[in-house]
Amino acid sequence: EVQLVGSGGGLIQPGGSLRLSCAASGFTFSEFYMTWVRQAPGKGLEWISSISGSSRTIDYADSVRGRFTISRDNAQKSVYLQMNSLRAEDTALYYCARSSYASGWSLDSWGQGTLVTVSS
Amino acid sequence: QSALTQPASVSGSPGQSITISCTGASSDVGNSIYVSWYQQHPGKAPKLMIYEVSNRPSGISNRFSGSKSGNTASLTISGLQAEDEADYYCSSYTSISWLFGGGTKLTVL
Repeated sequence: EVQLVGSGGGLIQPGGSLRLSCAASGFTFSEFYMTWVRQAPGKGLEWISSISGSSRTIDYADSVRGRFTISRDNAQKSVYLQMNSLRAEDTALYYCARSSYASGWSLDSWGQGTLVTVSS
Repeated sequence: QSALTQPASVSGSPGQSITISCTGASSDVGNSIYVSWYQQHPGKAPKLMIYEVSNRPSGISNRFSGSKSGNTASLTISGLQAEDEADYYCSSYTSISWLFGGGTKLTVL
């Protein structure tokens, strides 16, 4: 069974840093792109960042470029999101999800989400 | 890129059919086969319902179908059931980034 378990969220002051983790199991982790999607309270989904299986290809949404860094450790079957210079508008539930060419580049499995609250 | 445009809400009675539209541009929906739809119940993670415009993942009811014409993709749910009440999001994939619609709240009357 495919499982994605996110962790690392919490309450952080503006300007602070936080590192999210997503642990994967039930599939060959290195064969999948991994993606972070966030959802602000009461709002819709927003793509944040993605990383290829080899880590060679990475991209970010303009809203987080230069502040967030995505990385992965295929041996640990985990993907990470380092978030720096956090702002109030970064407050959201952060989901990790997987995708591949085989699934038509859809996000076919999602984690349960980890909540990040940026507030003083 | 701007978010894809979806109606904020749609509603239907049990047994009826409804369609949710998702309008983008020629640079995303109009030029991509990688359009997908997600269902999200309150407090839950999104769930993939349709991928590559019209394909259903294993385990998804054939009451859910997808299509596309020009810059607009559509999700149709036939034989509405109470458990279909949820938020629905469309998405278009373009070169390692995903563009989402604003979401549509489906109410089953």
